Amino acid sequence: DAGITQSPRHKVTETGTPVTLRCHQTENHRYMYWYRQDPGHGLRLIHYSYGVKDTDKGEVSDGYSVSRSKTEDFLLTLESATSSQTSVYFCAINQLGSAYGYTFGSGTRLTVV
Amino acid sequence: GQQVMQIPQYQHVQEGEDFTTYCNSSTTLSNIQWYKQRPGGHPVFLIQLVKSGEVKKQKRLTFQFGEAKKNSSLHITATQTTDVGTYFCAGNYGGSQGNLIFGKGTKLSVKP
Repeated sequence: DAGITQSPRHKVTETGTPVTLRCHQTENHRYMYWYRQDPGHGLRLIHYSYGVKDTDKGEVSDGYSVSRSKTEDFLLTLESATSSQTSVYFCAINQLGSAYGYTFGSGTRLTVV
Repeated sequence: GQQVMQIPQYQHVQEGEDFTTYCNSSTTLSNIQWYKQRPGGHPVFLIQLVKSGEVKKQKRLTFQFGEAKKNSSLHITATQTTDVGTYFCAGNYGGSQGNLIFGKGTKLSVKP
């Protein structure tokens, strides 16, 4: 969907380094979410935001932090990457909250070596 | 925590055969959503069911929400190769934004 973009699309990083993934939307949606997708685990919520500077933890938030200083940008930071954080990361947006369908970005494939 | 169980994990069908995936929750859901993810792609929202016993159709796809709002199904009639992908249900338990729980998905392959 053109209204949401994730960057980078692919990244390889070394264990112990910080990594920031970016989600950018042009839809002016209130809610933004970060998920990780792993084989056998499906999609698991890391963090979400319900407005500028308003964020909360999801199911698998340990080792991750987020920031949202503008409506359009939601950043996910791995403070010190570990191999267990190798995954595909998806950002999602919607206007009305989790009771309504999400629009997902194309994902970032992160490999921690 | 809340959990949404989805079966089967994999389904291989011959083109033209029907396909069904099922989702089950141990507690009542506010609503349930269905997504499709093509190989190498991202999840795409298909539909949302809200009412007890609700049935919705999208061409060859039929979605049902159980009477107790604890289970749901997606049925595809006469599968085509374009149906290939992973189908996810996501159960909404209401309350906080973190209460949309995804099933692990059913991966559908279609042999022409």
